[in-house]
Amino acid sequence: EAGVTQFPSHSVIEKGQTVTLRCDPISGHDNLYWYRRVMGKEIKFLLHFVKESKQDESGMPNNRFLAERTGGTYSTLKVQPAELEDSGVYFCASSVQGGSGNTIYFGEGSWLTVV
Amino acid sequence: GDSVTQMEGPVTLSEEAFLTINCTYTATGYPSLFWYVQYPGEGLQLLLKATKADDKGSNKGFEATYRKETTSFHLEKGSVQVSDSAVYFCALRWNQGGKLIFGQGTELSVKP
Repeated sequence: EAGVTQFPSHSVIEKGQTVTLRCDPISGHDNLYWYRRVMGKEIKFLLHFVKESKQDESGMPNNRFLAERTGGTYSTLKVQPAELEDSGVYFCASSVQGGSGNTIYFGEGSWLTVV
Repeated sequence: GDSVTQMEGPVTLSEEAFLTINCTYTATGYPSLFWYVQYPGEGLQLLLKATKADDKGSNKGFEATYRKETTSFHLEKGSVQVSDSAVYFCALRWNQGGKLIFGQGTELSVKP
């Protein structure tokens, strides 16, 4: 069974440009999450989808970030325009519906560098 | 709000040394607790978990016990290997389908 896959794995863009990150969750997982780790700090929650609906977007830093989940399958996270402080690793994760003990599976991350 | 605090790194040990990485949490009630690990160049992997007080999670020689009295979930391993070098993250998860809340991560470096 395929895990959570993310694309691109690495991206280097200039300040002011746009980047779109894609995540394909594990098949059958209704929950999809975006997290990021900036400059070796803690991993911070960005938002949570249940199927195609945004359940919690309290972690989105500002309106330069836009997340979508088309038809409740894959998700995209767009940063427009990118700023230097957006550099970091963006993790996508997914899980089945259920209790708090259910495992959340992470992708390998999309490493973004804004120069 | 809920939070997780880990001991600061980096932690440097010699091979076969005993490892402890401290983790404490702040939450009202009893969330599920997790340790995730990120090996160099890889994504996050679940290492172990405990879903209720006094549970012990274990995997790959690592262990952690959910202590509600001290609100802790310290990670231990009796004999570390070079291949254990990674960043370790402690996390909690509250409600059904809810998000993980992570600590800041502890980098472990094991020397031969």
